[in-house]
Amino acid sequence: QQQVKQSPQSLIVQKGGISIINCAYENTAFDYFPWYQQFPGKGPALLIAIRPDVSEKKEGRFTISFNKSAKQFSLHIMDSQPGDSATYFCAASIETSGSRLTFGEGTQLTVNP
Amino acid sequence: SAVISQKPSRDICQRGTSLTIQCQVDSQVTMMFWYRQQPGQSLTLIATANQGSEATYESGFVIDKFPISRPNLTFSTLTVSNMSPEDSSIYLCSVRPGRPLLTDTQYFGPGTRLTVL
Repeated sequence: QQQVKQSPQSLIVQKGGISIINCAYENTAFDYFPWYQQFPGKGPALLIAIRPDVSEKKEGRFTISFNKSAKQFSLHIMDSQPGDSATYFCAASIETSGSRLTFGEGTQLTVNP
Repeated sequence: SAVISQKPSRDICQRGTSLTIQCQVDSQVTMMFWYRQQPGQSLTLIATANQGSEATYESGFVIDKFPISRPNLTFSTLTVSNMSPEDSSIYLCSVRPGRPLLTDTQYFGPGTRLTVL
């Protein structure tokens, strides 16, 4: 059972554009939602994370929007740059159940110069 | 954040053999995890490595195939036993720091790229 569904699978954006990646979850017990960025040959690196008590969190060019009633959250990358080209994973966990992360399928982002 | 190293970074092994992957953290952490990432795929949790006790395995993963040790708060090993080509994956260690950060954040190591012939 895929508990976190991510879309799109791949995304191509022009430099300076906005990249939007969406995730939907099923388990309402999830209480922590991080996004990870992974470059080829590297481990995932935490980008930004949110808890369900807020609807939006912004860090620099990266924003998470969270819709608890719809069980959806999304990552927005403003002013996308070629250096942002990577694979992005959303994830979810339950703090009181050992913080085990359930990952989405991943989105391969390409930002063209 | 925690600095995590893994050894080996990559290896090519013959089927039927075993490989032990090491994960070392530069500070004491409360929780350590092992994930598998098959080529071009997402990450799947194998097990939670518990310090001083047996690891907790996720559905589909068993101790006989993936024995795990965690002798202290900065080190863990994952062994991939009796390997087959289907075990070809990237194996990643991750940690959740303890005090003083007390955060849910997990930090990942660089991964071990395993190819089984």
